[in-house]
Amino acid sequence: ELKVEQNPLFLSMQEGKNYTIYCNYSTTSDRLYWYRQDPGKSLESLFVLLSNGAVKQEGRLMASLDTKARLSTLHITAAVHDLSATYFCAVVSGNNNDMRFGAGTRLTVKP
Amino acid sequence: GAGVSQSPRYKVAKRGQDVALRCDPISGHVSLFWYQQALGQGPEFLTYFQNEAQLDKSGLPSDRFFAERPEGSVSTLKIQRTQQEDSAVYLCASSLGRLAGEQYFGPGTRLTVT
Repeated sequence: ELKVEQNPLFLSMQEGKNYTIYCNYSTTSDRLYWYRQDPGKSLESLFVLLSNGAVKQEGRLMASLDTKARLSTLHITAAVHDLSATYFCAVVSGNNNDMRFGAGTRLTVKP
Repeated sequence: GAGVSQSPRYKVAKRGQDVALRCDPISGHVSLFWYQQALGQGPEFLTYFQNEAQLDKSGLPSDRFFAERPEGSVSTLKIQRTQQEDSAVYLCASSLGRLAGEQYFGPGTRLTVT
């Protein structure tokens, strides 16, 4: 069974600092997604990573995928308050359409 | 353009009542997914449609849960004889293709069973 683990689950950062969120998954996958969720809102797609070594960047966020290690990272550079949200990684295995989500990382960026 | 919409946004039901939650996917999207998100948790897969065909319902937690998409567009998730443990946000998502490509999520329906 595909399992997805994120850490940390809670992250409090100072503005301007860097940090990395980790997403590990248990079985082979060729598709990994990162989503952002603001309180009371739905999920917003951030990145889709489709191949080993894939790296994508948008603003202060950069996501990477290592399929051999079954690991994706979401790196935050010079955090700002607007990045405060919950970040989820999600993995789809093989031809299955069952997308499994991690428990989420609740990020708070403090001034 | 219009995104995925869901209605109602909030629903309070007494235990034992039946509820019906509606999802309007993005026009032309082949795939439609339902998820259940408990408070403080990630979304959990419930079921998947490709057009009108329900190809995977392995995530439905009990036979009280039923989903349909009769014309391959709008979908309804029905929960019969609601229980307190059914309280959650129910998210609908759609994607253009047949496999789980980028999914676009609706705002969700927050169900509270009292």
